[in-house]
Amino acid sequence: DQQVKQNSPSLSVQEGRISILNCDYTNSMFDYFLWYKKYPAEGPTFLISISSIKDKNEDGRFTVFLNKSAKHLSLHIVPSQPGDSAVYFCAASARRDDKIIFGKGTRLHILP
Amino acid sequence: NAGVTQTPKFRILKIGQSMTLQCAQDMNHNYMYWYRQDPGMGLKLIYYSVGAGITDKGEVPNGYNVSRSTTEDFPLRLELAAPSQTSVYFCASKLRGSGSGVRAFFGQGTRLTVV
Repeated sequence: DQQVKQNSPSLSVQEGRISILNCDYTNSMFDYFLWYKKYPAEGPTFLISISSIKDKNEDGRFTVFLNKSAKHLSLHIVPSQPGDSAVYFCAASARRDDKIIFGKGTRLHILP
Repeated sequence: NAGVTQTPKFRILKIGQSMTLQCAQDMNHNYMYWYRQDPGMGLKLIYYSVGAGITDKGEVPNGYNVSRSTTEDFPLRLELAAPSQTSVYFCASKLRGSGSGVRAFFGQGTRLTVV
C-alpha cells in the first residue's frame, strides 16, 4: 500500500519554462511534506518542505503547494535550468512516529 | 562536519553470507534511518531509530537487523544475504523538531550486489 504516490515516472521540460512535479498521499496523519533531489551515485539532498498547516512555501525558484483536501502537493520550479535535471522524490512524515515515507520519484529532464 | 558517512561504498556478497553496513553521523542527530532504493521503486524505509537504544521497523524490515548503541552510529546487519537484497542502501539522520528540524540528511549510499 503506497502512502506517497508520484504517478509520473518522468517529465521533460524546456529550459526556462516551468516544471511542475506532482505528488499524492493517502495517510491523513502526515503533517510534514518534503521534496528531495537526487543525482546519480549521490544521496538525496533536501530541497524544500511544507507543514500541513500551510498551503504554500517558497524558496527562490522552488515553490511547493499543498492541497490538504485533495491530499495533493506539487513542486514548481521556475525558471527550469539544466542543473535541475535529476530525480525528485516527494516524502511525508507524521509527528506521531517520525517515519519519513518516500514516493517512487519523478525523473526531470531539462531540454536545451 | 562530515555529515552522514556510509561504509563501504560498494560490496559484492555471495548468497548466504552476512555483512554489516556502517553508518555514522557527527551532527548529534537523534533520529537515524535506513532506506533501500531499487530501480523505479523509490526509497523504502527498512528500520529507523529515534535515539540510542531504540529501534523500530519500517516498511521492509525482513532480512535485516539494526542496533543503536550510540547516538552517532546506526549499523544495518544482513544475516543471510539473498539476491532480493541487491540494492542501493542509504542512511539518513535528522534532529527532531518542527521546521528545519524535519529535514533529514543522507549519506552517499552503499551499492550492494548479492550473487
